[in-house]
Amino acid sequence: EIVLTQSPGILSLSPGERATLSCRASQSISSYLAWYQQKPGQAPRLLIYGASSRATGIPDRFSGSGSGTDFILTISRLEPEDFAVYYCQQYGSSPRTFGQGTKVELK
Amino acid sequence: DVQLVESGGGLVQPGGSLRLSCAASGFTFSSYAMSWVRQAPGKGLERFSGITASGGDTFYADSVKGRFTISRDNSKNTLYLQMNSLRAEDTAIYYCAKTTGSSGSYPFDYWGQGTLVTVSS
Repeated sequence: EIVLTQSPGILSLSPGERATLSCRASQSISSYLAWYQQKPGQAPRLLIYGASSRATGIPDRFSGSGSGTDFILTISRLEPEDFAVYYCQQYGSSPRTFGQGTKVELK
Repeated sequence: DVQLVESGGGLVQPGGSLRLSCAASGFTFSSYAMSWVRQAPGKGLERFSGITASGGDTFYADSVKGRFTISRDNSKNTLYLQMNSLRAEDTAIYYCAKTTGSSGSYPFDYWGQGTLVTVSS
């Protein structure tokens, strides 16, 4: 099973700042990586797939990069609605696994 | 608009059974693989079961294998999860999720609102 390790666990930032979230896979997953955003009481929402492609309707302040084992989600300028938990997920190998999440909180 | 609406959750005693349903609309249900993903209270996400578009292939995580059964009725645009021998550790919000392709090798582009399953005596 591929283990995804996200860091940091908690990111404390202010609106307008840049957020950089990391996801590391225990073995290569090529570009079969997605990022999701989850707000309290809501279902996850797909942000990025294929490591770097934005899903429909996702603002361009969200960007993804990486391949193989190391991936980054960047939020260029945090908006108030971006404070949430972010999960990475690999879908290239069975079982499909999620990282443990990074919480982006208001500083 | 794509909609996924789960139902069937609730309180059940350990060892009991529940059947979850996920009614899909707004897309060609029979063309897409579907999955069940759960989230224990305050915890992360676990994709524990999936089914291909045709229903011909299924996946179960070890945590539910032999106890849960995923199925779909493409004529009714509905995904199901039969859960037997429930344990306290199965307590979670259960989401159905649509993939972007016909097999499991795709991300989840739409999720239901979730249904809470609580296993407790």
